[in-house]
Amino acid sequence: ELKVEQNPLFLSMQEGKNYTIYCNYSTTSDRLYWYRQDPGKSLESLFVLLSNGAVKQEGRLMASLDTKARLSTLHITAAVHDLSATYFCAVDILSLPNYGGSQGNLIFGKGTKLSVKP
Amino acid sequence: DAGITQSPRHKVTETGTPVTLRCHQTENHRYMYWYRQDPGHGLRLIHYSYGVKDTDKGEVSDGYSVSRSKTEDFLLTLESATSSQTSVYFCAISDPKVSHEDTQYFGPGTRLTVL
Repeated sequence: ELKVEQNPLFLSMQEGKNYTIYCNYSTTSDRLYWYRQDPGKSLESLFVLLSNGAVKQEGRLMASLDTKARLSTLHITAAVHDLSATYFCAVDILSLPNYGGSQGNLIFGKGTKLSVKP
Repeated sequence: DAGITQSPRHKVTETGTPVTLRCHQTENHRYMYWYRQDPGHGLRLIHYSYGVKDTDKGEVSDGYSVSRSKTEDFLLTLESATSSQTSVYFCAISDPKVSHEDTQYFGPGTRLTVL
């Protein structure tokens, strides 16, 4: 059974601190996504990681992918209150027919609810 | 934001009644998806479509059907709603010809309550 596991599921941070969210998955994939969701809102795409060793950064967030370890990390640097949200990783698993070789079927982790406190 | 709308945004219905949720896109993306979001489960794929009249089942398809008669519309139907189908439903779209990263873009969601 395919599993995508995030940890921690809940994270309370102080402003200015650093922390890492981990996303482990149980089957081969070289395509991993990170999304952010604010309470009562939709999901916003943060990063797409397409190969082993991929690293992407935007502001205080940096995501990386190790396909051999089946692990992605989302690192938060010097957290601020505006980063409070739920973060999801999702692994692209299935090939869709006539899709030109791309895959578009996402299996999501359960999400990490991040709360940044002053 | 990607041009995705969902209707209705909120609905309360009774057990046993049929319910149809609509997803409409203005992006001309080929692929469309329906997910449900429940506490402790993240998002789970219900059905997806890879073209007009082409659909397939996802992880949690029992009790749901879909139809796509036009590129821009993807309908999710609960033939006979049950309380276990109380959830937030998200539609998503993607197209590798538009984005080589093949990112899925999500609609605003529909909150469905089945009493």
